[in-house]
Amino acid sequence: EPEVTQTPSHQVTQMGQEVILRCVPISNHLYFYWYRQILGQKVEFLVSFYNNEISEKSEIFDDQFSVERPDGSNFTLKIRSTKLEDSAMYFCASSSYTSGGTQFFGPGTRLTVL
Amino acid sequence: KNEVEQSPQNLTAQEGEFITINCSYSVGISALHWLQQHPGGGIVSLFMLSSGKKKHGRLIATINIQEKHSSLHITASHPRDSAVYICAVRFLNTGNQFYFGTGTSLTVIP
Repeated sequence: EPEVTQTPSHQVTQMGQEVILRCVPISNHLYFYWYRQILGQKVEFLVSFYNNEISEKSEIFDDQFSVERPDGSNFTLKIRSTKLEDSAMYFCASSSYTSGGTQFFGPGTRLTVL
Repeated sequence: KNEVEQSPQNLTAQEGEFITINCSYSVGISALHWLQQHPGGGIVSLFMLSSGKKKHGRLIATINIQEKHSSLHITASHPRDSAVYICAVRFLNTGNQFYFGTGTSLTVIP
């Protein structure tokens, strides 16, 4: 069964460093999403991406964040200058017309900013 | 204001019990998603619904659009059902993004 994959599973970085989180969505999906979950808190929407551009973004998704689909398979989230409060689990998800809007989630990347 | 509330926050049940988890939301929605999050953190989609009722194995999800309320039921609960169950909704006024509830932590005791 196709699934969304994410790498790395855990990333540790120093405050101020740039990080890139990678996702490979399900191959025939056209809509891509990033969410984050700070430890002990609820999942929060960051951004959605369709047709090679951002379709929606939340207030959290400020200038420090960017997304890219560099090739036909990967979908990346970049944080330019990490802060302590960026420590969270980051989930990628994808969906398609045929999935009826159901989003399929990746296993997440745990980001720890020291 | 777009809000999603889940209850209860924590739930402990004996194996075999019938379980109900509730989700209510503040304004009109286009879809509601029930998700399961395992202790390791991974999220699995259980149901996506916009009306009526859906069933998959021992899981049943219902939604009442007029009352702005959805329930997730687990019949004949089993210890492997222990997880956090999350309700997420797509409001009519906010495009495609989902708003998540805080989750219900379920523990099923053998």
